[in-house]
Amino acid sequence: DAKTTQPPSMDCAEGRAANLPCNHSTISGNEYVYWYRQIHSQGPQYIIHGLKNNETNEMASLIITEDRKSSTLILPHATLRDTAVYYCIVRVGPGGSNYKLTFGKGTLLTVNP
Amino acid sequence: EAGVAQSPRYKIIEKRQSVAFWCNPISGHATLYWYQQILGQGPKLLIQFQNNGVVDDSQLPKDRFSAERLKGVDSTLKIQPAKLEDSAVYLCASSSNSGAGYEQYFGPGTRLTVT
Repeated sequence: DAKTTQPPSMDCAEGRAANLPCNHSTISGNEYVYWYRQIHSQGPQYIIHGLKNNETNEMASLIITEDRKSSTLILPHATLRDTAVYYCIVRVGPGGSNYKLTFGKGTLLTVNP
Repeated sequence: EAGVAQSPRYKIIEKRQSVAFWCNPISGHATLYWYQQILGQGPKLLIQFQNNGVVDDSQLPKDRFSAERLKGVDSTLKIQPAKLEDSAVYLCASSSNSGAGYEQYFGPGTRLTVT
């Protein structure tokens, strides 16, 4: 799996958009970008994934650059409950034979009141 | 839909003792994973099962760790004997091979302290 680079920490004001960057310059053509988050004392939680097109679901939006070397996870209206460590992971997507997730240290997002 | 269940939630043992963790995945999920998460780090995959067969155990310290998934449903992870560096949260996850993203669903974890 390709490696990712994320800032160790970020702050965001409650109600504002949180934009979490991720660099994955060595991503392969068949690798997807996945985002998970881990709230304190809980297991990681899946947020979203994408290959090359921008994606949106009820939790967040994922913007992937055209060259696929970086991406941004957007939480449009951050709340205090969004305070968590956010992990950006690249891995083979559906149809692959091994769905292993390789976690880095992630970004600690702190949403402030 | 019930989530991934793990027990116990907390365990304190002395070094050289044995310990076992239990995981019950989401019903119907064929793939089950065990991760180790040391404080301040992201989870690290220890072993992955597809039904009751092992897909990947390359990072499992096989001299002291063992895992099984009998009947392709629940699973146990054992450490024997435990070392101080085994202090960590042990996370179980499961996934369906028919899901849109094959996303993994994690349990709450078992926090192990080895003294």
